[in-house]
Amino acid sequence: DTAVSQTPKYLVTQMGNDKSIKCEQNLGHDTMYWYKQDSKKFLKIMFSYNNKELIINETVPNRFSPKSPDKAHLNLHINSLELGDSAVYFCASSQVDRSSYEQYFGPGTRLTVT
Amino acid sequence: DAKTTQPNSMESNEEEPVHLPCNHSTISGTDYIHWYRQLPSQGPEYVIHGLTSNVNNRMASLAIAEDRKSSTLILHRATLRDAAVYYCILRDGVLNHGNKLVFGAGTILRVKS
Repeated sequence: DTAVSQTPKYLVTQMGNDKSIKCEQNLGHDTMYWYKQDSKKFLKIMFSYNNKELIINETVPNRFSPKSPDKAHLNLHINSLELGDSAVYFCASSQVDRSSYEQYFGPGTRLTVT
Repeated sequence: DAKTTQPNSMESNEEEPVHLPCNHSTISGTDYIHWYRQLPSQGPEYVIHGLTSNVNNRMASLAIAEDRKSSTLILHRATLRDAAVYYCILRDGVLNHGNKLVFGAGTILRVKS
């Protein structure tokens, strides 16, 4: 069974459209994340939710809105897509405590905006 | 965010040990040292982490300098499947900082057969 799954794996869309990426984890973790990896391969955190509560919100345009319906899901909705949004988006999850902090990453969603 | 410095790339021969260095001279007392790797076209994968003492697991060993200003990830026998980008990351152990990981450029490890 896949621990952290994302759908879709590939997403090609036009500028101005609205799209969503879904993420699910079956590890029973209490915290989920969204990261963006751009064409230069830098991975940057965008959001983090702990028990459905937003705890990290990095400098991300308002067009990006995460939604966590429950602890196992964290979806990413993007409005008015722009060319610069093209990247690979990774979802991750972890169980937060002081000493152990493995983050488990999904396979990524490659978003291409044309 | 505490910063780390790693070589851009390294090369190793298959079946030989690999020592991947990381400098973190501004590390604070509550920072954990984490290593992740990213294989081509995959998401990052946790490798190992430590605070002060050296650590071993099935994937690798982590050697931490006594002053904690540097660490070394050791792959005991590199295989072609170990070719990846290796990231050394400092994570603040104080929970209310959100436990975020800040990825740098990492070290591209190439393994030759």
